[in-house]
Amino acid sequence: DQQVKQNSPSLSVQEGRISILNCDYTNSMFDYFLWYKKYPAEGPTFLISISSIKDKNEDGRFTVFLNKSAKHLSLHIVPSQPGDSAVYFCAATGNSGGSNYKLTFGKGTLLTVNP
Amino acid sequence: NAGVTQTPKFQVLKTGQSMTLQCAQDMNHNSMYWYRQDPGMGLRLIYYSASEGTTDKGEVPNGYNVSRLNKREFSLRLESAAPSQTSVYFCASSRTANYGYTFGSGTRLTVV
Repeated sequence: DQQVKQNSPSLSVQEGRISILNCDYTNSMFDYFLWYKKYPAEGPTFLISISSIKDKNEDGRFTVFLNKSAKHLSLHIVPSQPGDSAVYFCAATGNSGGSNYKLTFGKGTLLTVNP
Repeated sequence: NAGVTQTPKFQVLKTGQSMTLQCAQDMNHNSMYWYRQDPGMGLRLIYYSASEGTTDKGEVPNGYNVSRLNKREFSLRLESAAPSQTSVYFCASSRTANYGYTFGSGTRLTVV
């Protein structure tokens, strides 16, 4: 049973436009969400995160939106740049009681930004 | 640079051979993880160690064993490699999951 779903395997956008990557989750115990970016032949790197007490978190060109009622989050990249071309993984965790909880990842979306 | 170091970067094994993938972190993180990445499957957790002295199974533990040797090192062992274990393996560490993981650069394993 896939608890974190990224239903779009790939997305192609023009440089300068907005990229919107989507992620859905099914586990209502998840309360912290993260996005990772992965270039070929490298490990994933942390991009941005959001706690369930917020509905938006912004960091430069990257904004993550969380809709708890719909169990949906999205990553917006504005403006998109060719260097943003990578695989983006959505991840989620539940952190009840301050314990270390593992991340559950989606399958990833390959973003291609065309010059 | 501080981070997660994985060795080897590439390995080819014959079916039935054994090997150990090494992982070390120098960030004083409590938790360490082993994931595998397969096309169309994303990142799947094999084993994790929430803290030194503890290990737990993840989503796909069959065919693997792990050792948390000390706070820095977390190794993954394949006792009898199978072609289905052909994959890219990533080690990661974190203070807690909420602080995000730091990943190594991966080990590309091919079992023939």
